[in-house]
Amino acid sequence: SYVLTQPPSVSVAPGQTARISCGGNNIGDVNVNWYQQRPGQAPLLVIYYDNDRPSGIPERFSGSNSGNTATLTISRVEAGDEADYYCQVSDSNTDHRVFGGGTKLTVL
Amino acid sequence: EVQLVESGGGLVKPGGSLRLSCAASGFTFANAWMSWVRQAPGKGLEWIGRIKSETDGGTTDFAAPGKGRFTISRDDSKNTLDLYMNSLKTEDTAVYFCSTELDLELGIGDYWGQGTLVTVSS
Repeated sequence: SYVLTQPPSVSVAPGQTARISCGGNNIGDVNVNWYQQRPGQAPLLVIYYDNDRPSGIPERFSGSNSGNTATLTISRVEAGDEADYYCQVSDSNTDHRVFGGGTKLTVL
Repeated sequence: EVQLVESGGGLVKPGGSLRLSCAASGFTFANAWMSWVRQAPGKGLEWIGRIKSETDGGTTDFAAPGKGRFTISRDDSKNTLDLYMNSLKTEDTAVYFCSTELDLELGIGDYWGQGTLVTVSS
C-alpha cells in the first residue's frame, strides 16, 4: 500500500514560515490534501488539490507538490496555527484514502 | 449548516460487535461518497473505508484493518450512514469519524463529524 512520510514535529517562531513535508513515491502525480487538527477536534481541510484553499482558510496557507515530496507552507505563523497536520492522497492503485503519519507544529 | 453527527460508540469486549451511525444534514447526502476514518488515542488518522453514492454504484471498499470484519451501509432516505464492526479487537479502540469525500463537481465539501469513541477492552 502507498505510504506517506511526514516529520513527527516542526517548530517555528511566531511570524516565521513553517514548512511541513510529505514524502511519497511519485506523489507529484496525485492530488494532495492537507488537514489541520487541533486537540479534541475533527480534522479541518486547509489545502486541497495540492494548492487550493477552502473558503475561510487564510492565504498564509499554501501547498506545493512535485516529484516525491509535497509541502505545506504556513507563512507568518501564529500561535493559533499550533496543531497536528496531516497530508492525504488517494492511492492510484486502490483508490483508498491514505494519510501521512502527521506532523505536530509547535509555535515557540 | 452542514452537520455530521456520529453516535453508537462505547465500551465493548474483544470479539464483540458494535454499530456506529452518522446523521447528515445541510448537504445533498445522496450525492456524497462517505468515509469512516478512525484515530487511536495519541495516534494519527487512519482511513477505514467508504461507500460510494448510489449513482456511482453504492459499493463499499475497505482498508486492510476492517476488511472482512466491518460493513458500511447508507440510507439516503434518512441521510444516515452506518458502520458495523464485528470481531472487535483491542487495537480497534479509537475515535471514529464519518466524513464526506470532496467532490467539487457535485458541490460536496470536505465535512467531518466530531467523532465517537469506541473502546475495546475486557
